[in-house]
Amino acid sequence: QVQVQESGPGLVKPSETLSLTCTVSGGSISSNYWTWIRQPPGKGLTWIGYIYYSGSTNYNPSLKSRVTISVDTSKNQFSLKVSSVTAADTAVYYCARGYGSGWDEVYFDYWGQGTLVTVSS
Amino acid sequence: EIVLTQSPGTLSLSPGERATLSCRASQSVRSSYLAWYQQKPGQAPRLLIYGASSRATGIPDRFSGSGSGTDFSLTISRLEPEDFAVYYCQQYGSSPLVTFGPGTKVDIK
Repeated sequence: QVQVQESGPGLVKPSETLSLTCTVSGGSISSNYWTWIRQPPGKGLTWIGYIYYSGSTNYNPSLKSRVTISVDTSKNQFSLKVSSVTAADTAVYYCARGYGSGWDEVYFDYWGQGTLVTVSS
Repeated sequence: EIVLTQSPGTLSLSPGERATLSCRASQSVRSSYLAWYQQKPGQAPRLLIYGASSRATGIPDRFSGSGSGTDFSLTISRLEPEDFAVYYCQQYGSSPLVTFGPGTKVDIK
């Protein structure tokens, strides 16, 4: 059974960079699409982007200029960086496994429990 | 860009009743690439349906999905107490690659 678990700071100052890591266990990261999704408190879900184990990425156009997703296959981990954060980036951040036969056919079958990141000085 | 609209916003029903949730897309969803998720308070979403009508592993058969093109639905044949939650639809494959609907809350009447 694949498990994914987010880790990282719960508080980030405005204008700084948010950094999170997701650790994959129970399976190899060397397949599938490894994904970040966020949910502001009391609101809906927003896809941030995903990465294939080879390093190829796809991002939400609305966040693309500030987001970087990377993968470390030796550690079975992938990571998220969001630069120049504001209060609008306050959200629960989920990592998830994206499953599909191609980069444009991906849905999400395993999710982490989520981690709340608050942007505040 | 595909925009998903879900209706109703809230559905108030009693255990044992049938629930029908709607997800409408602003343009045709490619190859019926539509998924449904259930989210309970304080929990991560759980995949219920993919490909518009295929149940995910371990999902009870009281959950069913249907539809194509721009109109999709999720039906819960008989609501169990654990089914009261928020349900999201998600399209995959059209620009942008992934979008979610705003959600439908199913609460106890």
